[in-house]
Amino acid sequence: EAGVTQFPSHSVIEKGQTVTLRCDPISGHDNLYWYRRVMGKEIKFLLHFVKESKQDESGMPNNRFLAERTGGTYSTLKVQPAELEDSGVYFCASSQDRGTSGYFGPGTRLTVL
Amino acid sequence: AQSVTQLDSQVPVFEEAPVELRCNYSSSVSVYLFWYVQYPNQGLQLLLKYLSGSTLVKGINGFEAEFNKSQTSFHLRKPSVHISDTAEYFCAVSYFGNEKLTFGTGTRLTIIP
Repeated sequence: EAGVTQFPSHSVIEKGQTVTLRCDPISGHDNLYWYRRVMGKEIKFLLHFVKESKQDESGMPNNRFLAERTGGTYSTLKVQPAELEDSGVYFCASSQDRGTSGYFGPGTRLTVL
Repeated sequence: AQSVTQLDSQVPVFEEAPVELRCNYSSSVSVYLFWYVQYPNQGLQLLLKYLSGSTLVKGINGFEAEFNKSQTSFHLRKPSVHISDTAEYFCAVSYFGNEKLTFGTGTRLTIIP
């Protein structure tokens, strides 16, 4: 069974550009989470989907970030326009049951120049 | 609010020596506790978790952790480390009804041959 996959693995963009990150959860997992690690700091929660609904988006830093999960399968996280402080590693995780830890993907390393 | 403190950012250990990575948490409610590992150029992998029951939890790769409620700690231990244990280790907490994980800043474990 395939694990959580994320695309791209790396992205380098200029400040002001738009970037879209994609996460494909493990098949059948209703819960999908996005996390971010800014260099040298802790991994921070961004948001949680249950199927296609946003259950908790308290960690989204501002309205430049837009997450979607159409059809309850894969999810995208768009950053528009990107700023320097958005650089970091973006992780996606999925789980079947609520209240359990998720399986994490390998992350997308975003560099904003 | 929850918080997680990993006191050591870097821990060098000689091969075949024991290691303890420290984790303390702060929460006003009961928590679930996790340790994740990130090997170089890979995603986060769950090492072990404490949900309830026995306070001594055994995980993969010979690691174990002990939940100490009175000291609000969840230290990770391994009796004999190997070169392959070189990685960054993250302690995390969550609580039932709110599945988002709160992470510590990570401890980089370096094994000295």
